[in-house]
Amino acid sequence: KQEVTQIPAALSVPEGENLVLNCSFTDSAIYNLQWFRQDPGKGLTSLLLIQSSQREQTSGRLNASLDKSSGRSTLYIAASQPGDSATYLCAVRGRTGANSKLTFGKGITLSVRP
Amino acid sequence: GAGVSQSPSNKVTEKGKDVELRCDPISGHTALYWYRQSLGQGLEFLIYFQGNSAPDKSGLPSDRFSAERTGGSVSTLTIQRTQQEDSAVYLCASSPGGGGGYTQYFGPGTRLTVL
Repeated sequence: KQEVTQIPAALSVPEGENLVLNCSFTDSAIYNLQWFRQDPGKGLTSLLLIQSSQREQTSGRLNASLDKSSGRSTLYIAASQPGDSATYLCAVRGRTGANSKLTFGKGITLSVRP
Repeated sequence: GAGVSQSPSNKVTEKGKDVELRCDPISGHTALYWYRQSLGQGLEFLIYFQGNSAPDKSGLPSDRFSAERTGGSVSTLTIQRTQQEDSAVYLCASSPGGGGGYTQYFGPGTRLTVL
C-alpha cells in the first residue's frame, strides 16, 4: 500500500526566504507525482505535475523535483511571499483504474511572515 | 468554462441522520473521484467512477457510505446514520479519462459537520 509522508507538518519563514518542502513515498512504481496548494476553506489547486520519467518541473518561482528510485520529491519555492501562505500537498498516482487515484500526504502548512 | 461544483458547501447534521452530497463534474469528463479530508488524517480516496464500468469502492470506510453516478455525469455520495467521525470535508474531482495521465480537477468541497 502506497504511503506518502510530508515532514514537517508546519513551517513558518520570513518573507523573501527560499525554502524546500519535502515529500517521500513508499512505492516507487508511480505514474506521476503532483504538488497541490490548498487555501483555507478552498479546494485544491494543482501547482506542478511530474511524470515518472521526468526529474523536475518548473513554474515561475516554483520548482519540483522527483527522484523516483529513492521515493522522494521536493518543492522549492524561491523568494517566498506572504501570498504563498497555504497548505502544500504532495500526491502520487498509479497508472490505471483505481490505481489512478491520488494518494496524498497530510500536507505542510506554510506561513510566510511579512 | 465551468469547473467541478459541489453542493451544499456546508452541511450540519445530527448524529444518526442520513446526508447526500452532490458533485457536478466538468462536462465530458468520464472519470470521477470522491475523497475525504479529515482533521489530522489528510486526504483519502473513497470511490472512483470511470465511464460505465463498475465503480471502485475500495476506499469507502464502512457500508454506511455509498455513491452513485447517474447518466455518467452527476454523482451523489450518501452517508447513512451519520457518526461524529464522519465530520470532514468531502472533495470531488473529475478528469477527462480514467488513466493516471489525466489531470484531476477538484471541486471546492462540502464541509460536513455531524453534531
